[in-house]
Amino acid sequence: GAVVSQHPSRVICKSGTSVKIECRSLDFQATTMFWYRQFPKQSLMLMATSNEGSKATYEQGVEKDKFLINHASLTLSTLTVTSAHPEDSSFYICSATQRGYGYTFGSGTRLTVV
Amino acid sequence: AQSVTQPDIHITVSEGASLELRCNYSYGATPYLFWYVQSPGQGLQLLLKYFSGDTLVQGIKGFEAEFKRSQSSFNLRKPSVHWSDAAEYFCAVMETSYDKVIFGPGTSLSVIP
Repeated sequence: GAVVSQHPSRVICKSGTSVKIECRSLDFQATTMFWYRQFPKQSLMLMATSNEGSKATYEQGVEKDKFLINHASLTLSTLTVTSAHPEDSSFYICSATQRGYGYTFGSGTRLTVV
Repeated sequence: AQSVTQPDIHITVSEGASLELRCNYSYGATPYLFWYVQSPGQGLQLLLKYFSGDTLVQGIKGFEAEFKRSQSSFNLRKPSVHWSDAAEYFCAVMETSYDKVIFGPGTSLSVIP
């Protein structure tokens, strides 16, 4: 079945630094990748949609300059949290889809900013 | 606007008892519907999905869900709950035209011996 690899699974960074999270589709070409954020004991909120080779579409309220998304190939999307602050600490999950036939989620990245 | 509601924030059931988790959606057409499970600190696992056809969908781990168009519902059921089923359950809707998934708020399931 379709597999999405997300790396790293956990990361701790200092306030003011940037962190990059990778999302790779291992055995299929993902036409679209999505990035979600989940606060403790809350649901997943869509942050942005990225299509290969084009700019990401951000949901209302998501700062595009803080959360940089790059989708350079059909198998890789990256989310960079720039100038991270403690309030950016969260669980970030990516998903990848091929032609709208459902989603495959990555295992998530736990970001802690200290 | 499209939305997904899960009326029960938290449910506690006894091991071996039956389970039903409710999900309602607000959408003009028939969307794609999903149920996911998330264990603490873990990612999401797809339990089942409905795209079209038979309205009773079988999933993994003994779960099933029934799509009822008239009620805009997609409730998840399991005849006999196991302690390992304790987790967070999310109902999700995919907007067919836009390939964007909207998640419900989730239902936390506790299982008591």
